Amino acid sequence: QKEVEQNSGPLSVPEGAIASLNCTYSDRVSQSFFWYRQYSGKSPELIMSIYSNGDKEDGRFTAQLNKASQYVSLLIRDSQPSDSATYLCAVKVRDTGRRALTFGSGTRLQVQP
Amino acid sequence: EAGVTQFPSHSVIEKGQTVTLRCDPISGHDNLYWYRRVMGKEIKFLLHFVKESKQDESGMPNNRFLAERTGGTYSTLKVQPAELEDSGVYFCASSQGGGVGEKLFFGSGTQLSVL
Repeated sequence: QKEVEQNSGPLSVPEGAIASLNCTYSDRVSQSFFWYRQYSGKSPELIMSIYSNGDKEDGRFTAQLNKASQYVSLLIRDSQPSDSATYLCAVKVRDTGRRALTFGSGTRLQVQP
Repeated sequence: EAGVTQFPSHSVIEKGQTVTLRCDPISGHDNLYWYRRVMGKEIKFLLHFVKESKQDESGMPNNRFLAERTGGTYSTLKVQPAELEDSGVYFCASSQGGGVGEKLFFGSGTQLSVL
């Protein structure tokens, strides 16, 4: 079982719709959760971070965390063609000796004009 | 402010040769990380520097990989000798501070192809 799992997609949504991206993780002591957006050939760019159960909103983006279910999601409202990219879920385990992020393989999002 | 820069952006070498990748972190960032993504796989951690010290090198695949960060500024990652399975994209990331809210800024990566 992978430590961080994502559906590879592609997830295709029409412009203006809500895109829902999901991620599950296996390590119960995971502490911090991040969503990165990566355009083809470019660097991963941090778009959201979440540490506590519940929802966190930033503009059109909402991150949702449920530690009991070991599940984190990213909602993108009013999706735009420019949102088309690969979205990477990353998790940091609560371990004072290690600060490495564990990544999922990413979900490719396609927003159709 | 300049972001994390990596050089070269692409490198094509033959098996058995040596390659050195360079990363310049964001100025003032003490933490520097190396990650890599091999074909079809997820991005995986290689190692972490705090200033010039190796904090965690648990992700380094074997002793053909050598990372340095002299003076706590830029870092190099040398692969010697390179093998076919070393092909992939090598990312560098930097951050300031630590804790729960540590945010990593990534470079655009070096695409390494070993033929």
